[in-house]
Amino acid sequence: GAGVSQTPSNKVTEKGKYVELRCDPISGHTALYWYRQSLGQGPEFLIYFQGTGAADDSGLPNDRFFAVRPEGSVSTLKIQRTERGDSAVYLCASSPNGPRYGYTFGSGTRLTVV
Amino acid sequence: QKEVEQNSGPLSVPEGAIASLNCTYSDRVSQSFFWYRQYSGKSPELIMSIYSNGDKEDGRFTAQLNKASQYVSLLIRDSQPSDSATYLCAVENYGGSQGNLIFGKGTKLSVKP
Repeated sequence: GAGVSQTPSNKVTEKGKYVELRCDPISGHTALYWYRQSLGQGPEFLIYFQGTGAADDSGLPNDRFFAVRPEGSVSTLKIQRTERGDSAVYLCASSPNGPRYGYTFGSGTRLTVV
Repeated sequence: QKEVEQNSGPLSVPEGAIASLNCTYSDRVSQSFFWYRQYSGKSPELIMSIYSNGDKEDGRFTAQLNKASQYVSLLIRDSQPSDSATYLCAVENYGGSQGNLIFGKGTKLSVKP
């Protein structure tokens, strides 16, 4: 596609529920990143995919968070047993090959856990 | 813990003035540096990248890098009200997988007409 597409744009869920956030990167971009951004903070790194594999998942805060990219294109971020502290904007970004030249962000998914 | 530090602001400048935004980083081996602009409620947008010491100009924007001082800056000349946004400094994480950028908290810029 022309840009990075994220769905849904907004998600409200109850504490303890499971959520999935989807990211469709720019066509041909092999590198895909998930970040989350809380109010007044910069984006915080979660996980980086190069192709189908997670090259670096060191930013995932705990084992409730998991992400996949089975065919090297679309990625899904999965959060189990959501907590109110998970509320944030979840940003996806992609780049042709790594961060060297920066990357393009999608419009984000605003997750609210009530 | 690798860090990127920015003054959170707000930085207020009059229309037509030069806005100067500053950033320091902790990882001495970092090689790639970026400035992103983020309008309220929107996602970050890449506006400048710099890799070598010195200045890099693009229109009204100039990025400056001093690796010895671990310092990056962004100058916006002839500031316009449409430049009002939060400016995020980002530095390539040169350790581990070398696969991500570390962001500062951002500096909020307000350009007054």
